[in-house]
Amino acid sequence: EPEVTQTPSHQVTQMGQEVILRCVPISNHLYFYWYRQILGQKVEFLVSFYNNEISEKSEIFDDQFSVERPDGSNFTLKIRSTKLEDSAMYFCASLRGANTGELFFGEGSRLTVL
Amino acid sequence: AQSVTQPDIHITVSEGASLELRCNYSYGATPYLFWYVQSPGQGLQLLLKYFSGDTLVQGIKGFEAEFKRSQSSFNLRKPSVHWSDAAEYFCAYTTSGTYKYIFGTGTRLKVLA
Repeated sequence: EPEVTQTPSHQVTQMGQEVILRCVPISNHLYFYWYRQILGQKVEFLVSFYNNEISEKSEIFDDQFSVERPDGSNFTLKIRSTKLEDSAMYFCASLRGANTGELFFGEGSRLTVL
Repeated sequence: AQSVTQPDIHITVSEGASLELRCNYSYGATPYLFWYVQSPGQGLQLLLKYFSGDTLVQGIKGFEAEFKRSQSSFNLRKPSVHWSDAAEYFCAYTTSGTYKYIFGTGTRLKVLA
């Protein structure tokens, strides 16, 4: 069964460092997402991406964040200068197309900022 | 603003007992509603979804949910809980005109042997 894969599964970084989280969405999916979940809290929408551009983003997704689909298969989330409060589990998700409903999630990348 | 409310943060049930997890959404447009389950350290897996049609939807693992427009609710049920159902359950909402899926705060289910 096709799945969304994310790397790394866990990354530890120092405050102020840049981090790139990588995702390989399901191959025939067209819409891509990043969500974050701070430990024990809700799953928060960060950004959605379609047709090589951001379609929607939340207030959390400020100038420190960026997304890219560099090569037609990978979908990356970059945090330019990490803060302590960026420590969370980051989930990538993909959606086949409009009105198909189900978001398919990866297993997440845990980011720890020290 | 659109929101999804799961009023129960924690629920504990005995194995074999019935279960109902509550979910309410705030936005009145045509809702697309989902229940996801998250086991510890795992991603989110879809249990079931409602788009239109029959308001009682069946999902995997013996779960079902009923959409009630008058109550803006989409409660998840299971007639007999198994120990392996212990997990966190998230209700999610989206609607036409957006691809943003909004998640509730989750309900952590504990199952007593």
